[in-house]
Amino acid sequence: GAVVSQHPSWVICKSGTSVKIECRSLDFQATTMFWYRQFPKQSLMLMATSNEGSKATYEQGVEKDKFLINHASLTLSTLTVTSAHPEDSSFYICSAGPSGSHTQYFGPGTRLTVL
Amino acid sequence: EDQVTQSPEALRLQEGESSSLNCSYTVSGLRGLFWYRQDPGKGPEFLFTLYSAGEEKEKERLKATLTKKESFLHITAPKPEDSATYLCAVQPNDYKLSFGAGTTVTVRA
Repeated sequence: GAVVSQHPSWVICKSGTSVKIECRSLDFQATTMFWYRQFPKQSLMLMATSNEGSKATYEQGVEKDKFLINHASLTLSTLTVTSAHPEDSSFYICSAGPSGSHTQYFGPGTRLTVL
Repeated sequence: EDQVTQSPEALRLQEGESSSLNCSYTVSGLRGLFWYRQDPGKGPEFLFTLYSAGEEKEKERLKATLTKKESFLHITAPKPEDSATYLCAVQPNDYKLSFGAGTTVTVRA
């Protein structure tokens, strides 16, 4: 099956710093990737759609200047949390699917803790 | 607006005790309905995609079915390793997934 990886798997940072999370499709190309966040005991909430070669589209209520997304190639999307604060602490998960497939495959997630 | 409601919220089963999870949905133009399994601290693992009413898919002890308004995930003779949160998601025409809150299944030996 299709494999999606994320790096790092966990990160701890100080308030005010920026953190970059990578999402890679390992065995397929993806023109579109999705970024989600998940709070404890809650379901996944879509943050944004990452489009290769163009700007990301953000869901309502998600600050585009705070969550910067770059889809630099057909196998890599990055999410940068800028000027992180404790309320940004969460589990961030990306997904992608092979072209022509409706199925989204998820990465293992990145646990962000902002002190 | 797309809505996905899963029930029950939690399900505790004895090993071998079969049961079903429900996913009710309202969506404008269903492209697909998906079932995922999520273990604590991990990303969702793909289980099934269902596209049209009447469709059924099976994988080991799991069987997913779809009607025009809901989907069921049947767990037959569950084992402790089937303990997880099962997520249902609908995909309308724009490829985005809308998730339900999930059903947390605990199977006791």
